[in-house]
Amino acid sequence: GAVVSQHPSWVICKSGTSVKIECRSLDFQATTMFWYRQFPKQSLMLMATSNEGSKATYEQGVEKDKFLINHASLTLSTLTVTSAHPEDSSFYICSAREARGEKLFFGSGTQLSVL
Amino acid sequence: RKEVEQDPGPFNVPEGATVAFNCTYSNSASQSFFWYRQDCRKEPKLLMSVYSSGNEDGRFTAQLNRASQYISLLIRDSKLSDSATYLCVLHSGGYQKVTFGTGTKLQVIP
Repeated sequence: GAVVSQHPSWVICKSGTSVKIECRSLDFQATTMFWYRQFPKQSLMLMATSNEGSKATYEQGVEKDKFLINHASLTLSTLTVTSAHPEDSSFYICSAREARGEKLFFGSGTQLSVL
Repeated sequence: RKEVEQDPGPFNVPEGATVAFNCTYSNSASQSFFWYRQDCRKEPKLLMSVYSSGNEDGRFTAQLNRASQYISLLIRDSKLSDSATYLCVLHSGGYQKVTFGTGTKLQVIP
């Protein structure tokens, strides 16, 4: 089946630094990628949707200047948390979908801890 | 009204029991429906697609009721390994929009 690779799996960083998370589709072309955030004991919250070659569409309440999303190729999307603060500590997950495909394929998630 | 609503649970059931979850949705234009399971601090994994005609996979049965705008998941003969959070997921807007339910937590007890 389709595989989505996400890394790093976990990252600890100091407050004020930027963190980049990568999401790669390994055996299909991901025309659309989704980025989610999940706080402990809460549900997945969609942050943004990105289509290859286009600007990402952010959900209400998600700061686009803080969470930079790049989807420059059909196999790679990146999420950069800029100037991370402790409140940004969360579990970030990406998912990918190929053109005209219904199924979503998820990365394994990144646990971000900001000290 | 939320786009997708699920009872968060937890549903605590003994091994061997039958348990059912519902998920209601408000967007009648929703096109595709799925159930995912998510284990703690892991990514969601697709469990099954949901159709009006019903979909059965072993102990799991999923059903879509478009008239009443809900989907259901039935688990028979519950196993300890079924303990997880079950998420309903809807696609709409030409599959561009993906909406997750908040999930229903199931705990199967020995």
